[in-house]
Amino acid sequence: AQSVTQPDIHITVSEGASLELRCNYSYGATPYLFWYVQSPGQGLQLLLKYFSGDTLVQGIKGFEAEFKRSQSSFNLRKPSVHWSDAAEYFCAVGPSGNTPLVFGKGTRLSVIA
Amino acid sequence: DAGVIQSPRHEVTEMGQEVTLRCKPISGHDYLFWYRQTMMRGLELLIYFNNNVPIDDSGMPEDRFSAKMPNASFSTLKIQPSEPRDSAVYFCASRSQVEGEQFFGPGTRLTVL
Repeated sequence: AQSVTQPDIHITVSEGASLELRCNYSYGATPYLFWYVQSPGQGLQLLLKYFSGDTLVQGIKGFEAEFKRSQSSFNLRKPSVHWSDAAEYFCAVGPSGNTPLVFGKGTRLSVIA
Repeated sequence: DAGVIQSPRHEVTEMGQEVTLRCKPISGHDYLFWYRQTMMRGLELLIYFNNNVPIDDSGMPEDRFSAKMPNASFSTLKIQPSEPRDSAVYFCASRSQVEGEQFFGPGTRLTVL
């Protein structure tokens, strides 16, 4: 069965510091992978996605993620965090045929001055 | 495209009342999903449709919850009777068979007093 693990429930970083959010997945085949961001009071917005090809994908707002098949990981990175990046981040895998995406439980990012 | 549209954005009601949440998916999308998000349980998939047909409703918490999709451009989630523990943010999402990623609406914040 597909599953997604986001090991960090809450991360705090200083503004301007680099960021890496971890995501590990379990999937039977080459996965489709996604990162979504949810700002307070908002819906989930797609940051980036990986379907195939180059394992380093670029997304919106200066984010990137790297697919590592050997580690079953799809970590999200940003070289310099802005205060507006404070939000909840969700990793997701799938879909497989008729199934919906499987979401991780999310990582809440706080940004301090 | 206007994206996924949900109404109302906020709903406050009293215990025992019927609540109807509405969703208009992105035109051309084959799948529609209803989620519920709370602090305690996180993001939960309630039910999803493919070509207007319910595929999996195992996430619907009780018989008080029902969902319909009478056509490709409209879906409802109904709670009757509502209870305080139903207070949550309800999201609708849609996707196409081809694209894979799910597009989320802004959500309906439901408060049951």
